[in-house]
Parts: sequence; C-alpha cells; structure tokens
Amino acid sequence: SAVISQKPSRDICQRGTSLTIQCQVDSQVTMMFWYRQQPGQSLTLIATANQGSEATYESGFVIDKFPISRPNLTFSTLTVSNMSPEDSSIYLCSVEWADRANIQYFGAGTRLSVL
Amino acid sequence: KQEVTQIPAALSVPEGENLVLNCSFTDSAIYNLQWFRQDPGKGLTSLLLIQSSQREQTSGRLNASLDKSSGRSTLYIAASQPGDSATYLCAVKHNAGKSTFGDGTTLTVKP
Repeated sequence: SAVISQKPSRDICQRGTSLTIQCQVDSQVTMMFWYRQQPGQSLTLIATANQGSEATYESGFVIDKFPISRPNLTFSTLTVSNMSPEDSSIYLCSVEWADRANIQYFGAGTRLSVL
Repeated sequence: KQEVTQIPAALSVPEGENLVLNCSFTDSAIYNLQWFRQDPGKGLTSLLLIQSSQREQTSGRLNASLDKSSGRSTLYIAASQPGDSATYLCAVKHNAGKSTFGDGTTLTVKP
C-alpha cells in the first residue's frame, strides 16, 4: 500500500479564481496521474504527470486550464485555472509503481465547488 | 477506443446474500483490470487487481474473474454485509498505460 496525501480535501472557490491541489506520496513512484470525477459520474483521466517535463494531457484537457507540475518522484500539483461552476468536481491523484504490478492507488480526493 | 460498461448501475440486497457485479470492455488488449470501491465523497480503495495473464484473484469474501476473450470481468461478493455498501468501479488498463473506468455499480446492503 501507500500513503498518498492530497490537499486540500475540499474547497469552495469563486468564479475566475485558481486553485492548486497538492499530491504527496511517502515513497518514490513510477507514475502519477490526475483524474476528475464530475458529480454522479465516473473518473476521467486529465493527464499523466511526468517528472521533470511537461505533463501528457488527454483529449479535452489543456495545459492552460490544468497546469501540472511534478518536480520530483514523490510530489505533484494540479492547478484548476480561471474556474467556472462547470469545474465543480472531485479531483483525484493516483500513483503506480512498476515493481508493484502497476496497482493503482488513489489519494482521498479534493472536492471542489465553484460558485 | 476502450469502453467499459458496468451492469447493474445500482443493486440493493438484504444482508447475507451472495452477489455478482459485472464489468465488460470492448478491447481485449488489456494490461490488467482492477476493482475499486468508493464510499460517498471519498477516494478509491483498491480491492483486487487481475493481470492480463490471470483468470481470477481472491481476497477474503471477494473474488474477481477475468475472461479477456469475451471482454468480461465479474466481482463476486460472498455473504454481503451493510459495510459493503459503496460504489464499485472497475478500471481497465491498456498496454499504453492508461486506465479506463466504468461508471460503477452502487451497492446497498440492507440489514
């Protein structure tokens, strides 16, 4: 298993502002991902966070809206920029280790409400 | 493009029943399949992972099977308990490393 700390756990933000979500893991990981879960829906992959280089974004997600950093093998941030009510979702950090059968582990998530 | 479907969307059973949750996928070129549970407003907890070369995995009262040729996986829960009430998600990982999630089955176990 793994200890994955995600902060903040929840926030209420005003339209047009930005929020940065942090994901900290207690050991070096191979892969880090960011997902979005809109109300009543399943998970959608936003991007793969790459250590020391630009993240790999999925179709429909762009760097200007969701900038991601991964400065080392244990930490990543996701910023939700210029927020609108449609960004209200749970944002989840996920990690994998290649030497642990690529089992995916998730943080507790950040519940974001945009007014 | 991989599509993952979970049936039923919701299930309500009395305590003690054995039950089966279904997950189907359209592309059999998978790397692994993982079952999760999610409690309301929470993150995901990993239950079982089945590698592409495996046919089943067991953990306690849970048993997951995989049939790649038919594009199906099942999660069997024995002797269900109220604490099993949650949403169960299956995720199919592709050879490219990405996972596609189903919409989940919301299970309610009544005392």
